[in-house]
Amino acid sequence: SQKIEQNSEALNIQEGKTATLTCNYTNYSPAYLQWYRQDPGRGPVFLLLIRENEKEKRKERLKVTFDTTLKQSLFHITASQPADSATYLCALDLAGKLIFGQGTTLQVKP
Amino acid sequence: EPEVTQTPSHQVTQMGQEVILRCVPISNHLYFYWYRQILGQKVEFLVSFYNNEISEKSEIFDDQFSVERPDGSNFTLKIRSTKLEDSAMYFCASSARWGDEQFFGPGTRLTVL
Repeated sequence: SQKIEQNSEALNIQEGKTATLTCNYTNYSPAYLQWYRQDPGRGPVFLLLIRENEKEKRKERLKVTFDTTLKQSLFHITASQPADSATYLCALDLAGKLIFGQGTTLQVKP
Repeated sequence: EPEVTQTPSHQVTQMGQEVILRCVPISNHLYFYWYRQILGQKVEFLVSFYNNEISEKSEIFDDQFSVERPDGSNFTLKIRSTKLEDSAMYFCASSARWGDEQFFGPGTRLTVL
């Protein structure tokens, strides 16, 4: 069966540390993978997109990797801040439609 | 900065009633989507729409659901006869190109009593 799983439901880290979130999938072959941020009661907000032929993408303090052999993406937030506290969603892009993971809720403590 | 807007922000309806959820996508975008999120669950794809027709729909999007772009700016989701299990947050999204980042609206919270 097809599955997309994010490593944990919740992740607590100290301010200034690097947060690493994992997204694993099975029985999909996405051309793209996207990461979104969702705050309570709000819509997802796009963060990064990575294509199947790209190994790594960076944007400011964010970095995403995509390993199509392992069927895994890692999402890193360096120098984390309390304002980074939110739920982070991994989404496989399958011909334009997004299939979301259940999300990982990150809590950054001052 | 352009954004996707949705109305109403909260809709309460009785089971069996019809509801129409409205969205105004970003003006130069060509691809439109509806997703839903039941409280505490993941965001689920419902339907994608391009060039005035449905591109793809999920198993959730059965005959009770329909979408329309009645004019050059609005994109609507209609649920003909609501069920209790239709209670969820409904998000509209749009993108400029196929496979691009999607811009989500703030959502409409639908409560079916």
